[in-house]
Amino acid sequence: DAGITQSPRYKITETGRQVTLMCHQTWSHSYMFWYRQDLGHGLRLIYYSAAADITDKGEVPDGYVVSRSKTENFPLTLESATRSQTSVYFCASSEQGLIYGYTFGSGTRLTVV
Amino acid sequence: GENVEQHPSTLSVQEGDSAVIKCTYSDSASNYFPWYKQELGKRPQLIIDIRSNVGEKKDQRIAVTLNKTAKHFSLHITETQPEDSAVYFCAAKLTGGGNKLTFGTGTQLKVEL
Repeated sequence: DAGITQSPRYKITETGRQVTLMCHQTWSHSYMFWYRQDLGHGLRLIYYSAAADITDKGEVPDGYVVSRSKTENFPLTLESATRSQTSVYFCASSEQGLIYGYTFGSGTRLTVV
Repeated sequence: GENVEQHPSTLSVQEGDSAVIKCTYSDSASNYFPWYKQELGKRPQLIIDIRSNVGEKKDQRIAVTLNKTAKHFSLHITETQPEDSAVYFCAAKLTGGGNKLTFGTGTQLKVEL
């Protein structure tokens, strides 16, 4: 599954700083997603994108910004990081028909201190 | 929106026994139900999925059943092995929901020798 990569793998930042998490896929999948994973909450959708220049909010979008100027990239920005945003962030992609479900990236573990 | 509940949150079985994880969903318009396995420190990976026009699907030792009337679906693992130990997530997608998946909160399965 090297076709979807996230960077960085680990990040420690201070409260109030802006942080950008990167996601890149090589399959030309139309859909891309950002989820956060927290103990007891499973995977919660932050934002998703159906195509380049089309993005929409998920379940927990507050404090996050996304963009998708190119099909292959879907960066997630925390504009002013808070401790409650300490989490593991997963990017995922899928083709239109969900024939093969989601493919997830390897995740970014973000700690806000 | 869709809501998915997953039970149990932890499950311990003896090697060779069967394991069953159950999920219920709230929206009868959901039409796609995947199951993901996540090993410690790794990304979630699709292990099996089912669509609303099918009642059961099998793949070697794993199977998924869907009861649309009751709005629940289950993962069955037979002849469990230590390598089956992981966190399992169910998910559901609304028809026309833009490929968005709503995940359950996960089940930690431990297979004991």
